[in-house]
Amino acid sequence: GAVVSQHPSWVICKSGTSVKIECRSLDFQATTMFWYRQFPKQSLMLMATSNEGSKATYEQGVEKDKFLINHASLTLSTLTVTSAHPEDSSFYICSARDLLRGTQFYEQYFGPGTRLTVT
Amino acid sequence: DQQVKQNSPSLSVQEGRISILNCDYTNSMFDYFLWYKKYPAEGPTFLISISSIKDKNEDGRFTVFLNKSAKHLSLHIVPSQPGDSAVYFCAASANAGNNRKLIWGLGTSLAVNP
Repeated sequence: GAVVSQHPSWVICKSGTSVKIECRSLDFQATTMFWYRQFPKQSLMLMATSNEGSKATYEQGVEKDKFLINHASLTLSTLTVTSAHPEDSSFYICSARDLLRGTQFYEQYFGPGTRLTVT
Repeated sequence: DQQVKQNSPSLSVQEGRISILNCDYTNSMFDYFLWYKKYPAEGPTFLISISSIKDKNEDGRFTVFLNKSAKHLSLHIVPSQPGDSAVYFCAASANAGNNRKLIWGLGTSLAVNP
């Protein structure tokens, strides 16, 4: 139980284009979803937190107009990287919380991640 | 500035022996510490946590020790099994009301050899 999927697992796009990454909770309702990214040789960094039906809360330094997050349903959140540039190349990973399974903040279920390469 | 540091990128131990994974932190406001385990092509999964009011938490073969004065924690796996081979991430969190977030280390890759 508590499976989170991400699609695609890897994507290559050209500079200036937009790319959408999907995060789905397969067997539970995700009241809150988190988006992280990890640059090479760096640790996972939280980008934004989204609650279903609400606007996402972005971490300092993350451009909300560039990284569009939609959490329109309890099982799906999307991250769209708009006008991607090579410096956006990174590993993007989502996680989800299910308040029915656990109320501790660290009880997040992670997707396998998406490798984005912008050429 | 890396607030959570895992200085050993990799560790190799023999099956049946103890694995000790270390983590150091710099932020004295952290009040919760966690270990996650990650297999290839999968996301991290929560393993064990410890609150700053404790110095030890045990769950089966896994024990986490916290030394607040040294700002150091460690994860002990006894006995180690080949299935424990994975990347282990240390993470920490400070109380920020509804805005708690996880600060992650770089991870330590553990290989348990049969």
